[in-house]
Amino acid sequence: SAVISQKPSRDICQRGTSLTIQCQVDSQVTMMFWYRQQPGQSLTLIATANQGSEATYESGFVIDKFPISRPNLTFSTLTVSNMSPEDSSIYLCSAAGRQGGNTGELFFGEGSRLTVL
Amino acid sequence: AQSVAQPEDQVNVAEGNPLTVKCTYSVSGNPYLFWYVQYPNRGLQFLLKYITGDNLVKGSYGFEAEFNKSQTSFHLKKPSALVSDSALYFCAVRDRRGGATNKLIFGTGTLLAVQP
Repeated sequence: SAVISQKPSRDICQRGTSLTIQCQVDSQVTMMFWYRQQPGQSLTLIATANQGSEATYESGFVIDKFPISRPNLTFSTLTVSNMSPEDSSIYLCSAAGRQGGNTGELFFGEGSRLTVL
Repeated sequence: AQSVAQPEDQVNVAEGNPLTVKCTYSVSGNPYLFWYVQYPNRGLQFLLKYITGDNLVKGSYGFEAEFNKSQTSFHLKKPSALVSDSALYFCAVRDRRGGATNKLIFGTGTLLAVQP
């Protein structure tokens, strides 16, 4: 298994500002993902964080709003830009281990709970 | 398009009784299926998965799930519920076609409430 640390764990942000969430994995992983979990709802995939190249975004999510970095095999960041109250959510980092392949489970961080005022 | 349905928003069960949390999926072919649990203010924890082979899969904390291809279901079960099992449960699916993208599609979640 992989242990995933996210920070901040929670934050209260002002409308119009941006916040960067960091995700650190304790081992090298092939794939990392960012999910959003809005209050009382399920998880929605934002993007796949690709090491050394641009992230792959899902429908409805764009790089200008959610820029993602992945400089190496253990670290990724997600920025929520120009925030509005609709961005209030839990943002979850996840990773698939090298041994998992397509059959492997994902491991999740504890999440970053953002509240935008 | 692949999708996962969890028809019950909440399941209530008395401690010691068996529990079932339902999940059905819509994916062409045979998918990979997963169950996760989320405790309050925590991330998701992996419970179990079905890849191939025996339709009954055993996982963490005494949970098990049965893959039923004809009914396209993957219901989560436990013979005897504990109060500590109270949490939000998510079913997830991954299409085994199309290469190792590893993306998981999640259901809407079912809140399990176990009464003492």
